[in-house]
Amino acid sequence: AQSVSQHNHHVILSEAASLELGCNYSYGGTVNLFWYVQYPGQHLQLLLKYFSGDPLVKGIKGFEAEFIKSKFSFNLRKPSVQWSDTAEYFCAVTAPLSGSARQLTFGSGTQLTVLP
Amino acid sequence: EAQVTQNPRYLITVTGKKLTVTCSQNMNHEYMSWYRQDPGLGLRQIYYSMNVEVTDKGDVPEGYKVSRKEKRNFPLILESPSPNQTSLYFCASSLFGGSNQPQHFGDGTRLSIL
Repeated sequence: AQSVSQHNHHVILSEAASLELGCNYSYGGTVNLFWYVQYPGQHLQLLLKYFSGDPLVKGIKGFEAEFIKSKFSFNLRKPSVQWSDTAEYFCAVTAPLSGSARQLTFGSGTQLTVLP
Repeated sequence: EAQVTQNPRYLITVTGKKLTVTCSQNMNHEYMSWYRQDPGLGLRQIYYSMNVEVTDKGDVPEGYKVSRKEKRNFPLILESPSPNQTSLYFCASSLFGGSNQPQHFGDGTRLSIL
């Protein structure tokens, strides 16, 4: 079964700083990758997704992520963060050709705090 | 408005007292799922349902039951809750059960089992 690692548990940045959140998955076959965001007290919302094609995907609110197959990574980036980006960010993966194709596996999440 | 609705949003109860958390979606989605969210562990899938009358275990099904008698509803049942089931629970749905379908999440239900 696939697994997802988010090594940064808590990231603190000042406004206008650049952001990169790490996400690594363990599965050797075809994967679909997602980043979800959870603002304080709210439900998870989809930021962006990668299924195939251009490995650099753009999502909402200025976020982007790059799929690097050789590194099993799908890091989330934003050039300049805002206070309103304070939230918890989850990387998730499905493996469409595996036995657990129907399950979305989440990482443990990264709490981002942006200081005004 | 397209949404996934969970009830209750908050519940404090005692060990052994059966409880049900309801989940309803108005998007005619075939796939529905339950997750629990615990600090440092992210979201872990409890059960999922590919369609009416079709349910299957996720990663952490012990102590939970589900049913899918109607397409829009997917209740989570704790027959005999225990303190280790204290958690934040999310219901989610997607159009189909395919692995490329992004999921829509409810607002969450915070359960405290004393």
